[in-house]
Amino acid sequence: AQSVTQLDSQVPVFEEAPVELRCNYSSSVSVYLFWYVQYPNQGLQLLLKYLSGSTLVKGINGFEAEFNKSQTSFHLRKPSVHISDTAEYFCAVSASNTGFQKLVFGTGTRLLVSP
Amino acid sequence: DAGITQSPRHKVTETGTPVTLRCHQTENHRYMYWYRQDPGHGLRLIHYSYGVKDTDKGEVSDGYSVSRSKTEDFLLTLESATSSQTSVYFCAISGAVSTDTQYFGPGTRLTVL
Repeated sequence: AQSVTQLDSQVPVFEEAPVELRCNYSSSVSVYLFWYVQYPNQGLQLLLKYLSGSTLVKGINGFEAEFNKSQTSFHLRKPSVHISDTAEYFCAVSASNTGFQKLVFGTGTRLLVSP
Repeated sequence: DAGITQSPRHKVTETGTPVTLRCHQTENHRYMYWYRQDPGHGLRLIHYSYGVKDTDKGEVSDGYSVSRSKTEDFLLTLESATSSQTSVYFCAISGAVSTDTQYFGPGTRLTVL
């Protein structure tokens, strides 16, 4: 079975500052990794995903994440945040040996960007 | 946005009453999923479907049943709602390959009094 840990439930940051949202996972098999964003009162939207290949993955809205297999981490980063990045961010994992995508989500990190 | 709609978007009901939530897609995707979202738990999979009349249980399936009689519709039923089922319910869809993206609907907020 897979599990995901997002240690930070809330991350406050000032506009134009860099941010890192942490995600660690556990799995006995190879995995695919995902970051989703949820704006208030909306569904989830995919930011980026790691399937294979380059460990640095670039996504939408200037976000990127780095897969680190030895540390079982997939931290999300943005060099300069905007007020509009205020949202909840979810890390998710799926085993790569299943026939479909069975996502296991972390508990989420709320990013609060202030002026 | 992927063509996913959920109905109703909000519902308040009494304990013990049956409730059915509907997910409708226009993308002809094979897989459909029901999740619930609760504070401190993230999203947890309730049931999923891999084709018409083909469904399976997820992590938190107790108290829920599903049906899929058409490719485009996936119904989630609470036979006898309880207060612990107060939650936000999300439907998602994806293609048949494990690398396909899952697209989420707008959610249904259910309150069981």
